[in-house]
Amino acid sequence: GAVVSQHPSRVICKSGTSVKIECRSLDFQATTMFWYRQFPKKSLMLMATSNEGSKATYEQGVEKDKFLINHASLTLSTLTVTSAHPEDSSFYICSARDTVIAEAFFGQGTRLTVV
Amino acid sequence: DAKTTQPPSMDCAEGRAANLPCNHSTISGNEYVYWYRQIHSQGPQYIIHGLKNNETNEMASLIITEDRKSSTLILPHATLRDTAVYYCIVRPRNIGGGADGLTFGKGTHLIIQP
Repeated sequence: GAVVSQHPSRVICKSGTSVKIECRSLDFQATTMFWYRQFPKKSLMLMATSNEGSKATYEQGVEKDKFLINHASLTLSTLTVTSAHPEDSSFYICSARDTVIAEAFFGQGTRLTVV
Repeated sequence: DAKTTQPPSMDCAEGRAANLPCNHSTISGNEYVYWYRQIHSQGPQYIIHGLKNNETNEMASLIITEDRKSSTLILPHATLRDTAVYYCIVRPRNIGGGADGLTFGKGTHLIIQP
């Protein structure tokens, strides 16, 4: 089956620093990738849609200057949380849409803790 | 995406069939029913999807009512590893492109009891 690799699986950073999370489709091309955030005991919330070679589309209430998304190739999208604060601590999950079969597959998630 | 309604939690004995219901009374003609599950601290995992016919794969069966207003996901022989939150989502299947993130509801927390 299609594999989406997300790295790192968990990260702890200090307030004010930036953290980069990578999402890779290992065995398929993904023109579109999605970034979700999940707070404890809550459901996944879509943050943004990442399109290869163009600007990401952000959901309402998500700060584009804080959550920088780059989708430079058909197999890699990155999410950078800039100037992280403790309230940014969350579980971040990406999914990648297979260009051929139009189905999306999820990464294993990244647990971000800002101290 | 059309709204879905699922029970917040269910218990099932190990080895028995787990039947998870989902109501989607406002589903439109071009929308499919998708099921995902999320084991604690992992990303969601695709289980199965269907349009109007019943579907079966190695993980589960999906039964969709004739009016398509509800469906049931069946795990035929539940194991402890099936304990997870199960999400029922209805959405168009964008063959050939289009970008739509999934709208996750609260899902059903299925707990398999030993």
